[in-house]
Amino acid sequence: NAGVTQTPKFQVLKTGQSMTLQCAQDMNHNSMYWYRQDPGMGLRLIYYSASEGTTDKGEVPNGYNVSRLNKREFSLRLESAAPSQTSVYFCASRTGTARNYGYTFGSGTRLTVV
Amino acid sequence: KQEVTQIPAALSVPEGENLVLNCSFTDSAIYNLQWFRQDPGKGLTSLLLIQSSQREQTSGRLNASLDKSSGRSTLYIAASQPGDSATYLCAVWHPGANNLFFGTGTRLTVIP
Repeated sequence: NAGVTQTPKFQVLKTGQSMTLQCAQDMNHNSMYWYRQDPGMGLRLIYYSASEGTTDKGEVPNGYNVSRLNKREFSLRLESAAPSQTSVYFCASRTGTARNYGYTFGSGTRLTVV
Repeated sequence: KQEVTQIPAALSVPEGENLVLNCSFTDSAIYNLQWFRQDPGKGLTSLLLIQSSQREQTSGRLNASLDKSSGRSTLYIAASQPGDSATYLCAVWHPGANNLFFGTGTRLTVIP
């Protein structure tokens, strides 16, 4: 089925460990996004990529890095995980920069940092 | 900064009832507003997208309205069913920030 695929679905890390969250979309969308969702807060943008080869910081970028590997894939890396990064992470995509097109979300990665 | 508020935070209704979920935003300079559904432990499913120039959108039993000047949107669900139980999120796309700003959601429970 067409859509946004995220891996892994669940992950437990120890403080200081690193990991990369993977995201791929097969809808030929230009723009891709990483959000985090925390209890009692709306989803917040970490980083986005408006097109292949470009990335920009969002609202909460500290502690994260991203790579837009190609048009399909957009990865999020935690270099040294901290308990404050315990969250559910969502990848999303949308086509072009046409502002009236909606977003498609992946099913999320639930990350716990102990 | 754009802030999005959803009231109530939780709502329980008996099956068959019509209901309205509310969303308000502080900056009316939006391009569009999107309603999502999120089931426990799942991702977000897009329900309706209203462009800034539109007043409402309909999909089946769902109707979303937008009053941009007053910073408000409503999601109307007709003849609610237990399968409608989920958290409903609204989000506005703000051009200045090139970002989608989310509310914290309304958790809906439809009781059989």
